[in-house]
This record gives sequence, C-alpha cells and structure tokens, in this order.
Amino acid sequence: EAGVTQSPTHLIKTRGQQVTLRCSPISGHTSVYWYQQALGLGLQFLLWYDEGEERNRGNFPPRFSGRQFPNYSSELNVNALELEDSALYLCASSWSSSGSFDEQYFGPGTRLTVT
Amino acid sequence: GEDVEQSLFLSVREGDSSVINCTYTDSSSTYLYWYKQEPGAGLQLLTYIFSNMDMKQDQRLTVLLNKKDKHLSLRIADTQTGDSAIYFCAESGGDDKIIFGKGTRLHILP
Repeated sequence: EAGVTQSPTHLIKTRGQQVTLRCSPISGHTSVYWYQQALGLGLQFLLWYDEGEERNRGNFPPRFSGRQFPNYSSELNVNALELEDSALYLCASSWSSSGSFDEQYFGPGTRLTVT
Repeated sequence: GEDVEQSLFLSVREGDSSVINCTYTDSSSTYLYWYKQEPGAGLQLLTYIFSNMDMKQDQRLTVLLNKKDKHLSLRIADTQTGDSAIYFCAESGGDDKIIFGKGTRLHILP
C-alpha cells in the first residue's frame, strides 16, 4: 500500500513569489494535516483538513492557506514568500478526525528554500 | 538507534501540578521539544529547550533537562481541564530528523 506522497520534493523560490505544495494521503484516510518544520524549531502545526473542510489552523498568517479535494488530496499555498518560510513542509494523513498523533502517517516532505 | 521513552498515562487532580517525564538516548541531541495534541487537532509546539540549558520557564510550564541522565520533564502548574491532551516529547540533533516519544495522555480528575 502506498504511503503519503508529497510533491515536489524540493523547491527554490524567491521572496514575494507564491508556491503550491501537494499531498496525497493514504488510501482511505480522510484527514490531512500540514506541518512546517523550520531548522531548530521542530514541527509547527499549520492546517488540518477533514472531509474537504478546514477544521483547524495553527498560528500562521493568512498567506498560508490550502484546500482539500474530493479525493482527499490536499494543497498548501503560501503567498508572498518570505525568507523565513524556508523549511521542510510535512503532510500527514489519518483515518479520521479523532486520530491521535501515533495514528498520523507522515509523507517525506517538501523542502522549500526561499532566496 | 535513537529512542524517546515516556509513560503512556498520567492522571492529575485539577489544580495540582502535572509532571510528565521523558528519557532519550541520543547524546548528540541539540533541541528537545514538548508538543501538545488535543483531541482531533494537530500537534502544537508547546515549548523547546536547547541542550545547553537546564531549565526553561514559560508561564505555567517549566521544562527541566538533565543532560547527564538524558532526562527531560515538563511541569504544568495549576493543571486545568483544558490541559487534558496527549503530550509528546521529541528530540533532534538540529537537522530535519525529529524523534518523537509515543505520547503521555494527561487525564484531569475533578
């Protein structure tokens, strides 16, 4: 069974540009979580989608947004990129919205570098 | 390999202090973290400590690090019902790899 997949694996953008990251959950999983992992800061919760709706978001500005499609895949959009947006962006999926962390399956991440 | 261990459950009376303990094996750990996960929500970073620090305090939270024993603890003063959650200990060596414990479920007794 395929795990969580993310694309692209690496991305280089310049300040002010916009970026879209993609995530495909494990088949049958309806919840998708997005995390930002900046060097030295650990995982920061960004967004949670379940059944196509945004259920919760972390402490990030509105230029971080996303959506979940009917097939449960998800996109993360970041507008007006800033240097501090450089990070590894991780997507995780789980069976249901009540899944605890150890039921979340993580993708390999997309490394975004903003220059 | 690297490992992070923590007890699975803790019950505390409302108003008392909660102390969640964690041990890790990686002696090259640079950062140690505490995360909180409330029911149906993603992980939220509560606090972190650099490995060259012994203690960090942030309002009701106190983190203690014993680097010699590779022991990390999180103390929550005046525990409230809103503190009911799963608390994850994690460590990293400063690169992308973070090792998580399995989480301690904190249950608040009335």
